[in-house]
Amino acid sequence: DQQVKQNSPSLSVQEGRISILNCDYTNSMFDYFLWYKKYPAEGPTFLISISSIKDKNEDGRFTVFLNKSAKHLSLHIVPSQPGDSAVYFCAAGMYSGGGADGLTFGKGTHLIIQP
Amino acid sequence: SQTIHQWPATLVQPVGSPLSLECTVEGTSNPNLYWYRQAAGRGLQLLFYSVGIGQISSEVPQNLSASRPQDRQFILSSKKLLLSDSGFYLCAWTGGQNTEAFFGQGTRLTVV
Repeated sequence: DQQVKQNSPSLSVQEGRISILNCDYTNSMFDYFLWYKKYPAEGPTFLISISSIKDKNEDGRFTVFLNKSAKHLSLHIVPSQPGDSAVYFCAAGMYSGGGADGLTFGKGTHLIIQP
Repeated sequence: SQTIHQWPATLVQPVGSPLSLECTVEGTSNPNLYWYRQAAGRGLQLLFYSVGIGQISSEVPQNLSASRPQDRQFILSSKKLLLSDSGFYLCAWTGGQNTEAFFGQGTRLTVV
């Protein structure tokens, strides 16, 4: 059972436009959500996160929106740049005493920014 | 600052051969350590996590094992590799509080 779902394997956006990457989850116990960016043959790098008690978090060109009632979050990149071309993973986690539950990841969305 | 090292970057091994991937973390103590695998079309799957020396938890049954001989060292092993073990393996760490995980550069394992 996949608890974090990214239903779009790929997304193509023109440079300068807005990129919107979507993510759905099924487990209402998740406490926080994260987006990671990954280039080929490299480890993922953290991009932005949001706590489940918030509905928006913004960092420069990146904004994450959380809709708890719909169990849906999205990452907005404005404006999109060529260097944004990468695979984006949505991830979710829970707070616990040991802090070792690990993150649950979606399958990723390959974002392609076209010139 | 904290850094995480993972090696080797690429590895080609025959079926039935052993495996040892190493991961070390610098600049922090008592990290929580993780091994993930990225297989084609399957995202990032958590394989093992460790909250301390000698403490290993397995998330999925498999042909692999993990060990933590030192506080900042995490090793992924197999006695006999299978073709299905091919994939991109990532080591990661988090601090005491649940925060984002920081990943190593990954190891591309191809079993032939």
